[in-house]
Amino acid sequence: KQEVTQIPAALSVPEGENLVLNCSFTDSAIYNLQWFRQDPGKGLTSLLLIQSSQREQTSGRLNASLDKSSGRSTLYIAASQPGDSATYLCAVEWRSQGNLIFGKGTKLSVKP
Amino acid sequence: GAGVSQSPRYKVAKRGQDVALRCDPISGHVSLFWYQQALGQGPEFLTYFQNEAQLDKSGLPSDRFFAERPEGSVSTLKIQRTQQEDSAVYLCASTQTESLGELFFGEGSRLTVL
Repeated sequence: KQEVTQIPAALSVPEGENLVLNCSFTDSAIYNLQWFRQDPGKGLTSLLLIQSSQREQTSGRLNASLDKSSGRSTLYIAASQPGDSATYLCAVEWRSQGNLIFGKGTKLSVKP
Repeated sequence: GAGVSQSPRYKVAKRGQDVALRCDPISGHVSLFWYQQALGQGPEFLTYFQNEAQLDKSGLPSDRFFAERPEGSVSTLKIQRTQQEDSAVYLCASTQTESLGELFFGEGSRLTVL
């Protein structure tokens, strides 16, 4: 069964810290992997999309890496800010599925 | 429109009632997806349309769930004879192409079944 796992489930850090969120997935035959942000009571906002042929993507203070062989992706957030507080979701599209399979998310809290 | 719009944002239904949830995707987007998100969980796939064709409905949990997109734009998710376990946020997403790529999500419809 194709599954996506995110650890930790929750994370609290002081403002200014660099942090890493982890995502692991079964079955390395992925088509792409996406990281999303979800604020309470809101929909999802796409942060970064990594195609299977890519190893990383960067947007501002965010950097996402992909290691298909080990079934892992990380989302690195530099110089965290209170405004980064949200739930971060990792989602994988497998060639055989044709839709996104989501992890349960990591709830991030950045304290001022 | 500027983004994916969903209505109603909140719906309270008595068990056994039928509900209809609407999604207006971004204008011109070919593909439309419905997801169900229970509290504290990630979204789970329900169904997928490419234009007016429903290409995958494997995620619909029972035959009480029905989705349509008759003209290839607006979509409606209908739940008949609602049960308490149907309580969740129902998210709609659209994308410009036939393949997934970057998905744009609406803010969701929160359904509470009493």
